[in-house]
Amino acid sequence: GAGVSQSPSNKVTEKGKDVELRCDPISGHTALYWYRQSLGQGLEFLIYFQGNSAPDKSGLPSDRFSAERTGGSVSTLTIQRTQQEDSAVYLCASSLGGQGGETQYFGPGTRLLVL
Amino acid sequence: AQSVTQLDSHVSVSEGTPVLLRCNYSSSYSPSLFWYVQHPNKGLQLLLKYTSAATLVKGINGFEAEFKKSETSFHLTKPSAHMSDAAEYFCVVSDSFSGNTGKLIFGQGTTLQVKP
Repeated sequence: GAGVSQSPSNKVTEKGKDVELRCDPISGHTALYWYRQSLGQGLEFLIYFQGNSAPDKSGLPSDRFSAERTGGSVSTLTIQRTQQEDSAVYLCASSLGGQGGETQYFGPGTRLLVL
Repeated sequence: AQSVTQLDSHVSVSEGTPVLLRCNYSSSYSPSLFWYVQHPNKGLQLLLKYTSAATLVKGINGFEAEFKKSETSFHLTKPSAHMSDAAEYFCVVSDSFSGNTGKLIFGQGTTLQVKP
């Protein structure tokens, strides 16, 4: 079946602009995660959605970052007023129930470059 | 608090020789441990995972890892390296208690180079 998909695959933007990154999880997966992979920080958790529960936003680095998940499926990560330090690969993952120990399936990522 | 330490940032082996990638973890609860692999310009792929069943876990492509609670280690091994194994490997921990969000904590990664 189809895996996790993300779009765009690459995004180049100018400092100060807003960007939106999209994630389509695996059908039937109730949990969705966003992670960021950067040279300086490695791979770090950003935000977690599980069904209709309030998201866990504990990993968002600043209030310029926000995310939503509509209809329990597609998710959009928005970065407002982008900064050069936001340049990274943004990875989305989904899992069946969102519990510890479950396998998370990752998308190919969106490579963001802020000039 | 959870954390993962990958003891080597770079490992180089010759094709056909054994691979050992070392990982130590810290967790307040019973951990779930994973190894993921990332080939250049590709997504993360699960190699194997430990979730409190057998301590020796077998994964894809001939890889295996052993959970050693007394040493808080979860080293990844393969008897014979193949050129296609060259990639970045991540050791990952997630707490397994009820109500946990399942968010993953990643190590810094180990780059495996395989020489012909």
